[in-house]
This record gives sequence, structure tokens and C-alpha cells, in this order.
Amino acid sequence: AQRVTQPEKLLSVFKGAPVELKCNYSYSGSPELFWYVQYSRQRLQLLLRHISRESIKGFTADLNKGETSFHLKKPFAQEEDSAMYYCALALNSGNTPLVFGKGTRLSVIA
Amino acid sequence: SQTIHQWPATLVQPVGSPLSLECTVEGTSNPNLYWYRQAAGRGLQLLFYSVGIGQISSEVPQNLSASRPQDRQFILSSKKLLLSDSGFYLCAWSGIGPLHFGNGTRLTVT
Repeated sequence: AQRVTQPEKLLSVFKGAPVELKCNYSYSGSPELFWYVQYSRQRLQLLLRHISRESIKGFTADLNKGETSFHLKKPFAQEEDSAMYYCALALNSGNTPLVFGKGTRLSVIA
Repeated sequence: SQTIHQWPATLVQPVGSPLSLECTVEGTSNPNLYWYRQAAGRGLQLLFYSVGIGQISSEVPQNLSASRPQDRQFILSSKKLLLSDSGFYLCAWSGIGPLHFGNGTRLTVT
């Protein structure tokens, strides 16, 4: 079965420190991976997707098919990065819905 | 631009009472529509998704049902609520691209 695992429920880092939010997936086909973010009092929204290979708000994520991972990274954390982050897997583009991980709450301490 | 509306924002209902949560999308036609539940410590769980009017797929068997009476309207219902139905319910839509979420409904069953 398809599964997304985010092993950390809560991650606390100091401002300016590097951040890595871990995500591993289980899927035998060709996956599409996403990171969604939910800031306090805001709706859940897309942060980035692996197919775009872009950096959003300083965050990047590389799909590693060998390790079945899609870790989210940022070299220098900012206080405004504090939020709930969800890794998600789509089995293909179009109609197939996403499978979400349980989420990691990132807390950046000043 | 496309917008998604979900209501009510919060709801407190007694056990055994019926439920109706509504979601509408504007600015797009024939969207894929989804209902997710976000329970504490359990992440986002896909409940239902629809690729067209009257077409509903259920991902998890439970006390809930969904209907799509119009192209851009998606309704989550229950005939008799259980305590375990408490949670945060999110409606989402997608076209070819990623998911776009509503603001959610906090349901408390007492």
C-alpha cells in the first residue's frame, strides 16, 4: 500500500540553524511528491512539488528514489517558517488523490 | 481566480444528530473535489473524492457519506454522528495541478 512517513512530530530549531524535515514514502510506481504547509490561522497550502525542482521561501526538496525519500531542507531557518508541514504522495498527475504523512510541526526559536 | 468556500467554520453537535458540511468552488469547472479529515496525531486522512457530478469514491468506510449534486458543490453528511467523528474536516479541489484547500470545519461531537 502507498504510505508517507514523517518520523518527527515536532522539530525545534534555533533561528539561523539549518532545517531538515524528513519524509519517506512507499510506492512501487513513479511517484509525485509534494510538501504542503499550514501556517498559524491559515489554510493548508502547497509549498513545493518535486517535479518543479524549485526553491520556495528558501526551502528545497530532492526526490531520492533509491532511499524513497523527499526531505525538505532550508539552510537558515527563520521564525516565520514555524508551521505544520505535510509531505504528500500522488500516484500520478490528474485525478488520483494524495496520500499525506502525519505532519511535522516546525518551531523556530529566536 | 479560483476560490473554495467551506462552512461552517465550527460546529458542535450531539451524538446521534445529523451532519451536513458544504463546500463550493468558484472560478473553475469540473474540478476534482475531496473531503479530508485531520485528526490529532493522525495527519490528513482522505475520506471521499469526486471526479464529476454524482461520482463519489470512498476511501475509508465509516459513518459518513458524500454527495456532489452540482459540478462545484461537495457535501459531507452523516445520519447519526458518533463521538469518533469529531475532528477537523477539510474540503479541497484540484484540476491538473495540486490540491487547494478550504479553511476547514472544526466538528466537535458531544
